[in-house]
Amino acid sequence: IAGITQAPTSQILAAGRRMTLRCTQDMRHNAMYWYRQDLGLGLRLIHYSNTAGTTGKGEVPDGYSVSRANTDDFPLTLASAVPSQTSVYFCASSKLAGAQETQYFGPGTRLLVL
Amino acid sequence: GQNIDQPTEMTATEGAIVQINCTYQTSGFNGLFWYQQHAGEAPTFLSYNVLDGLEEKGRFSSFLSRSKGYSYLLLKELQMKDSASYLCAGADSNYQLIWGAGTKLIIKP
Repeated sequence: IAGITQAPTSQILAAGRRMTLRCTQDMRHNAMYWYRQDLGLGLRLIHYSNTAGTTGKGEVPDGYSVSRANTDDFPLTLASAVPSQTSVYFCASSKLAGAQETQYFGPGTRLLVL
Repeated sequence: GQNIDQPTEMTATEGAIVQINCTYQTSGFNGLFWYQQHAGEAPTFLSYNVLDGLEEKGRFSSFLSRSKGYSYLLLKELQMKDSASYLCAGADSNYQLIWGAGTKLIIKP
């Protein structure tokens, strides 16, 4: 089934630990995105990639890093987790990077940092 | 600054019509999206407006007024499955989406 998968579904993490959230899409979309969603706030863009081999910083990039070695995969790494990074993380993709492009979202990863 | 405002919560009755409003301020403007998000699930695309006017898609319609920085999502013939959060997002000059916090719509029988 075409779409976006994320792993893990949920995770409890000790503060200070390193964690990589995985995201894979099989739609051959060029653009991919990482958002975090917190109660009472809108989705906030962490990092994005307009095409394989390129990445950019979003609204809230501090404490996170990404890579885009190929079209399908866009992992998000927390180098040293802090409790404020407790959130629901959504990966998304669009066919192209552009304002009119519909973004398709993965099921999310629920992360609790203690 | 960039900002999207929408009501936090609305309640409506099954079979009725509801209008969810959204006002936006973005650096530049490249369109307005509406997404639906059921509790515990991912957002899914509903509509995109870049020109003024009403776009109708089945029971759902979306309206845009660029001069007023205003949009609304109109849901007709409400069904219980329409209970969800509705997210408004504006595309800015860098083509990034600025998201509202979402409007939680509660449908009562």
